[in-house]
Amino acid sequence: AQRVTQPEKLLSVFKGAPVELKCNYSYSGSPELFWYVQYSRQRLQLLLRHISRESIKGFTADLNKGETSFHLKKPFAQEEDSAMYYCALRGSGTASKLTFGTGTRLQVTL
Amino acid sequence: GAVVSQHPSWVICKSGTSVKIECRSLDFQATTMFWYRQFPKQSLMLMATSNEGSKATYEQGVEKDKFLINHASLTLSTLTVTSAHPEDSSFYICSARGPDRWTEAFFGQGTRLTVV
Repeated sequence: AQRVTQPEKLLSVFKGAPVELKCNYSYSGSPELFWYVQYSRQRLQLLLRHISRESIKGFTADLNKGETSFHLKKPFAQEEDSAMYYCALRGSGTASKLTFGTGTRLQVTL
Repeated sequence: GAVVSQHPSWVICKSGTSVKIECRSLDFQATTMFWYRQFPKQSLMLMATSNEGSKATYEQGVEKDKFLINHASLTLSTLTVTSAHPEDSSFYICSARGPDRWTEAFFGQGTRLTVV
């Protein structure tokens, strides 16, 4: 079974402050981890995936297999970062379905 | 990125009637489509996975006779909620992916279904 846990429903930070959205997963094989973002009144869209190892909109996420974590980080939060963030896992089996966490709402205030 | 369009964006129907939701990939061939359900302030729950030309694979606990999925072409999948009841009211989201299962899946804008 695959499971994704996002412990925080809401994270409120000041503009310019560092951001860390937590994500832990449970999976017996080698997973592929993703972060999706949903801005207000918009559809879900891919933010980044661990295999790409890239920074998107200043966000990075490192897969830590020892801690089974894939936390999303950004050094300086911007107002436009306010959105709903979902961590997701895709297993290595043929089903290749995505399992989503419950999401964390990031609120960046002035 | 590629575009996935869902129609309608919202629908209200009476109890006992059936509702069809369409999911179209506009600029790529979607060999696999996924249907999710999202309750207020909760995560997306996968309902079923459909591959073009094949029967859909339903997740545990999802009634296949209740939620009929058809994926007859590479650009269209439909979800029909049959004999809808108020408890079927929810936000339904589809996503579509090309033939390579490691590629990104793109999401539709979702359909808000309200059964009265």
